[in-house]
Amino acid sequence: DQQVKQNSPSLSVQEGRISILNCDYTNSMFDYFLWYKKYPAEGPTFLISISSIKDKNEDGRFTVFLNKSAKHLSLHIVPSQPGDSAVYFCAAQSSGGGADGLTFGKGTHLIIQP
Amino acid sequence: DAEITQSPRHKITETGRQVTLACHQTWNHNNMFWYRQDLGHGLRLIHYSYGVHDTNKGEVSDGYSVSRSNTEDLPLTLESAASSQTSVYFCASSGAPGLRVPDTQYFGPGTRLTVL
Repeated sequence: DQQVKQNSPSLSVQEGRISILNCDYTNSMFDYFLWYKKYPAEGPTFLISISSIKDKNEDGRFTVFLNKSAKHLSLHIVPSQPGDSAVYFCAAQSSGGGADGLTFGKGTHLIIQP
Repeated sequence: DAEITQSPRHKITETGRQVTLACHQTWNHNNMFWYRQDLGHGLRLIHYSYGVHDTNKGEVSDGYSVSRSNTEDLPLTLESAASSQTSVYFCASSGAPGLRVPDTQYFGPGTRLTVL
């Protein structure tokens, strides 16, 4: 049973436009969410996180939105750049009990087209 | 600069052999984790440790073991390698001060293991 779902295996966006990556979760105990970016042959790199006490967190071109009632979060990248082409993983954690470590989605391959 | 390293980066072994993958971090983080990445599965937690002499099983721990004798290292051992353990393995660490605390993990570059 997949607790963190990224339903789009891939996404193609034109350079300069907005990229929106989506993530859904089923475990209501999750209260901390992270996005990681991964290039081929490298480890995942931390991008941005959000706690369940917030509904938005911004860092430069990256914004994460959290909708707790819908158990949905999204990552917005504006404007998209060629270097953003990578696989993006959504991850979740419970700090109040339950699973330890991070639970990851399967990833979305973002392709930025010139 | 503080970092997390893994060795070897690539390993080919035969079914039934014991294999140990190394993970070393210089951040002085208490928490260390091992994940495997497979097509169609994302990253899955194998084992983790919240401090010296502490180890815990993750989602896919069968066939793997870890030991934590110091803060810096968490080696992952495959007792008897199987073809199903062909994967890319990532080590991660975090500095969260205790259990049940929101946690940002930082990953090593990965080890690609092939079991023939």
